[in-house]
Amino acid sequence: AQTVTQSQPEMSVQEAETVTLSCTYDTSESDYYLFWYKQPPSRQMILVIRQEAYKQQNATENRFSVNFQKAAKSFSLKISDSQLGDAAMYFCAYRRNRDDKIIFGKGTRLHILP
Amino acid sequence: GAVVSQHPSRVICKSGTSVKIECRSLDFQATTMFWYRQFPKQSLMLMATSNEGSKATYEQGVEKDKFLINHASLTLSTLTVTSAHPEDSSFYICSARGGAVGTGELFFGEGSRLTVL
Repeated sequence: AQTVTQSQPEMSVQEAETVTLSCTYDTSESDYYLFWYKQPPSRQMILVIRQEAYKQQNATENRFSVNFQKAAKSFSLKISDSQLGDAAMYFCAYRRNRDDKIIFGKGTRLHILP
Repeated sequence: GAVVSQHPSRVICKSGTSVKIECRSLDFQATTMFWYRQFPKQSLMLMATSNEGSKATYEQGVEKDKFLINHASLTLSTLTVTSAHPEDSSFYICSARGGAVGTGELFFGEGSRLTVL
């Protein structure tokens, strides 16, 4: 069975600084996607970034980038120039392509310190 | 981007009653929808996969007779919590996919908070 592990329940970062959220996963599948979702207090799930497993190049979306280490099954999220609006719960997620099921990690609550 | 809407966003009901939550894809046809449950300060747990025109597939441990899922059209899936009890109080989120499996983007609804008194 697939699992997603986020080992940091909470993290804090000073505004404008950089923070990295960790995620590891376990799977025997070869065709899958990895995601980072943001869930603010409104509870709406917002896609932050996604990575196709077959792509070696790390995905980047503006201030957000990932470090995808496929062999190590690691998928960390780096947030640069942290902003107050980045404060939220962040979920790492794995989606297997044969049926689109998404498995979420337990989440990391990110606090931005002004 | 595509929009998935859930209704109601909040519902309070008495123990023993049934509650229906709707999940609609507003600008695309959703061949598959997923229902998740999220307890306070916890992660999303997949409850079931709903395919248009066929029976839902439930995850292990989810009572199919308690959580009735109907996906009667390409834009609407409903989750009915039958004979609700306080332990069913939770945040329920749906997601929808257009297109073929493994290819389409998944979009999440805003969630529905159920409180059973």
